[in-house]
Parts: sequence; structure tokens; C-alpha cells
Amino acid sequence: SYVLTQPPSVSVAPGKTAMMTCGGDNIGSKSVHWYQQKPGQAPILIMSYDSDRSSGIPERFSGSNSGNTATLTISRVAAGDEADYYCQVWDSSSEQVVFGGGTKLTVL
Amino acid sequence: EVQLVESGGGLVQPGGSLRLSCAASGFTFSSHEVNWVRQAPGKGLEWISYISSGSTIFYAESVKGRFTASRDNAKDSLYLQMNGLRAEDTAVYYCARGPLCPYDYWGQGILVTVSS
Repeated sequence: SYVLTQPPSVSVAPGKTAMMTCGGDNIGSKSVHWYQQKPGQAPILIMSYDSDRSSGIPERFSGSNSGNTATLTISRVAAGDEADYYCQVWDSSSEQVVFGGGTKLTVL
Repeated sequence: EVQLVESGGGLVQPGGSLRLSCAASGFTFSSHEVNWVRQAPGKGLEWISYISSGSTIFYAESVKGRFTASRDNAKDSLYLQMNGLRAEDTAVYYCARGPLCPYDYWGQGILVTVSS
């Protein structure tokens, strides 16, 4: 089955740039979607089809996908960005939706 | 306003059954694909099932043969029949609107606890 690998945690100082990766075999050939989840809340879609920001998501959030790695980048990180971030793909060969294990973003 | 509201969760013994419901409002439910996603306590997201606006259904391997997803467009509702429940099925269960992926709206989630 298809596996998405995310680092468990990323820490960044306020105002700096956070990069969260999502690794998978030839993930560049798939569409990657990203969700943000804050404690006690349902996930929200922040990025779809690799790099399309959802409505209301600041331009500080951007996405890319190539080769074996997709990346969610948050520029000028703020305290309110602290959350868990999950990547997601559809694996057509196994007919399974796959989520990455999630990355906890900590703003120092 | 799009809303998805799950219900039917609770405590169930191992081997037991439970039926979750998800009531949709604020959009034309019959025209939209929907999914079930769960999250074990302190863990990540796990996709469970997808139902198209027609009759196509996909299941995660972890629940195939035990869980059955269905929808009633007349009632704007989505269902998840869970049989043969195990301790590892303990999780918050979300319904989410969208194709196989991505999901643009999620419910608030409902807790299912499998324990004796």
C-alpha cells in the first residue's frame, strides 16, 4: 500500500519560514492536499492539488510537489499557525485514500 | 451555510455494532460525494470510506468487510454501519464532503469508544 511520510514535528521561530514535507514514492505524479488541524477541532483544507490555497488561507501558505516530496511552506510564521498538518493523496492503484502521519508545527 | 453533523457515537463492547449518522444541510447533498474519516485518540487521520453521488463506494482495507457506508439522499444523510468492532476502532469519526480527495467541509466529529 502507498505510504506518505511526514516528520512528526517542526519547530520555527515567529516570523521565520516553516517547511513541512510529505514523502511518497513518485508523489509528484499525484495531487497532494493539505489540512490544518488545531486541538479539539476538525481538520480544515488549506491547500489542494499541490498548490491551490483554499479561500481565506493567507498567501503566506504555499505548496509544491515534485519527485518524491511534496512540501507545504508557511512564510512569516505566526503563533496562530501552530497546529497539526496532514498531507493526503488518492492512490488509484490500491483504490485507497492515504493520509500522512501528520506534522506538529510548534512556534517557538 | 454548509453543515455536517454526526450522531450515534458512544460506548460499545468489543464485537458489538454501532451505526453512525451524518446529517447534511446547506447544500444539495444528492449532488455531492462524501467520506468518513476517523482519528484515534492522539493519533493521525485515517480515511475509512467514500461514497459517490451515485453508487460507487470504496473502503479502507482496515474496515473492509466490517463497515458498511450508505446514504439516503431523501434524508440528506450519510451512514456508517460498524460491525465486529475492535478496541482499535476507538476514534473520533468525521464525515467530510468531497470527492475521493480533497474534502472542503468536515463535521465536528463523534466519539466511538470500543471497550468492555
